[in-house]
Amino acid sequence: EVQLVESGGGLVQPGGSLRLSCAASGFTVSSNYMSWVRQAPGKGLEWVSVIYSGGSTYYADSVKGRFTISRDNSKNTLYLQMNSLRAEDTAVYYCARDLDYGGNSCFDYWGQGTLVTVSS
Amino acid sequence: SSELTQDPAVSVALGQTVRITCQGDSLRSYYASWYQQKPGQAPVLVIYGKNNRPSGIPDRFSGSSSGNTASLTITGAQAEDEADYYCNSRDSSGNHLKVFGGGTKLTVL
Repeated sequence: EVQLVESGGGLVQPGGSLRLSCAASGFTVSSNYMSWVRQAPGKGLEWVSVIYSGGSTYYADSVKGRFTISRDNSKNTLYLQMNSLRAEDTAVYYCARDLDYGGNSCFDYWGQGTLVTVSS
Repeated sequence: SSELTQDPAVSVALGQTVRITCQGDSLRSYYASWYQQKPGQAPVLVIYGKNNRPSGIPDRFSGSSSGNTASLTITGAQAEDEADYYCNSRDSSGNHLKVFGGGTKLTVL
């Protein structure tokens, strides 16, 4: 059974840092594309970042230069390092398996999400 | 980056058919995928590709596409279908980014 479990969320001050983790089971993270998607309170979904199976990484303009996506193959875990956090980064952060099919993309498995609150 | 536009809210009578649409330039090049999200829960994939349903998704959910518009149709809407629905696709600029629509709140009357 595929399962994704996020952790690491919490309250952080503006300008601070936080690292989110997403532990996967039932499939191999390094053999798949993996994304982070966030949802601000009461708002819609926003794609944040993807890491390809080959290791290439891409970011939404809103987080580029501040966030870093990575993975630990030995732990089958995905990470999101978030630096220089702003109030507008406050959101529930989901990790999701990013299924690539013929150049198209969809998110077929999602974690339960972890809440990040940026506030003084 | 590309944008996907959805109607903020749609309503349907119980048992009737409803179509939720998503418009954007990226849909001329890429298929949309559709997600259902109920309050306090993670999104769930309901349609992807030309018209594919993941295992466990009822066959009353279907997808279609024409030009720059993708549609999610629920035939015989049930009370449990009341939720937010989001479309998603790859960005059309070729920069490996992904984009979501703003979401549609579906009310089943």
